[in-house]
Order: sequence, then structure tokens, then C-alpha cells
Amino acid sequence: GIQVEQSPPDLILQEGANSTLRCNFSDSVNNLQWFHQNPWGQLINLFYIPSGTKQNGRLSATTVATERYSLLYISSSQTTDSGVYFCAGNSGSARQLTFGSGTQLTVLP
Amino acid sequence: GAGVSQSPSNKVTEKGKDVELRCDPISGHTALYWYRQSLGQGLEFLIYFQGNSAPDKSGLPSDRFSAERTGGSVSTLTIQRTQQEDSAVYLCASSFQDLTEAFFGQGTRLTVV
Repeated sequence: GIQVEQSPPDLILQEGANSTLRCNFSDSVNNLQWFHQNPWGQLINLFYIPSGTKQNGRLSATTVATERYSLLYISSSQTTDSGVYFCAGNSGSARQLTFGSGTQLTVLP
Repeated sequence: GAGVSQSPSNKVTEKGKDVELRCDPISGHTALYWYRQSLGQGLEFLIYFQGNSAPDKSGLPSDRFSAERTGGSVSTLTIQRTQQEDSAVYLCASSFQDLTEAFFGQGTRLTVV
């Protein structure tokens, strides 16, 4: 099956800093999504972004489907941004999302 | 409903007992997925439903695990003769149809003692 690599695995930021999280896929992927898992374990949808660029407040994402990667940008980070960020996508005939191992983000006050 | 709802939120059970976990998907969503997340790990796919059918059960770890979906809505994941390694958070997701945005419930934290 498809392999999903996320980098970096861990990231510690000072409040106000910017960051870029990356997601690489081993094969062409459909249905690419980014999630934030908050400290209570809830997966929050951030972006549904099979291709192109989207922005939502301080967050934006870009997917380059032909190059099999996606980037999540967080600007002016806040302590509430802390948590684990996952990317996920479908490949081939698979209907389920395959997840990366996540990026653990800690934003310090 | 407004979102995907799972129950119970927490379940502690004794080794060897059977447990049932419930998922109420978003109304009108035809696709439903179960995942498992062990402590500090990523999400492991278990089973996918389209309507009441399960075209992909490839992620179920053993024959102690089964799931059903009725009326194209509620799904139940059953774990028989629970083992300590079954301890994890079980997450359910639904989407309007295949290959569209998936939305997750809050999960059921299962602890086998």
C-alpha cells in the first residue's frame, strides 16, 4: 500500500513563529486531507486539498499532486496550535485514508 | 446529526469480556470507516462500509473483531474475548460518499485490564 511520510516528527516553536509541515506520498494520491488532533484526541479537519492551495486564517496548505507532496503552513503560531498534525490520502482503489505518523507540534508561550 | 457521534467515550473491560462500540455517522453519509489508534501512534485502518456492505475488512486484526452497519447509518464494532493489546482509542469516520472529505468522531478509549 501507499506510504505516507511526514516531517518533521517533532517541532517546538515559540509563540508567534511560523512553521512548515511536509507530507510525502509514495504513490499518486487522491482525497488528501490535513487534520489536527487536539490534546483530547479529537481529529479536527483542517483542509481537504487534493490539489492546489487553500487558506484558512493563519493556516494554509498546498498540494502538488504531480510531485506527491503537500505542505501545511502555520503562521504566527499560538499555544492552541499545539497537538499532532496528520496528513492522509487515498491511493489506487483503496477507499480508506492512509495516515502519516504525524508531526507533534508544541508551541511555547 | 451535526457530527459523528461515538459511544461510549470510555470503556474499561476485563480481559476475556466482549465489548461493543457504537458509531453514529453524519446523516446522509454513505461511507463509514473504523480506525484504531494506540497510544502515541498513528491511525490504523480497520474496516470500511459503503451503505450496509463492507467491501474492505482488510484491517481487522483478528477474527475476534467484527463490525456491522444497519440502515445505512449506525455501525457497531464488536471485539470478542478482549485482550490487553486491544487497548486503544477506536475512531469512527464518515464521508458523504467515497473519496470525499472524512469527518471523525471523538473516539472510544478502550482499556482492557
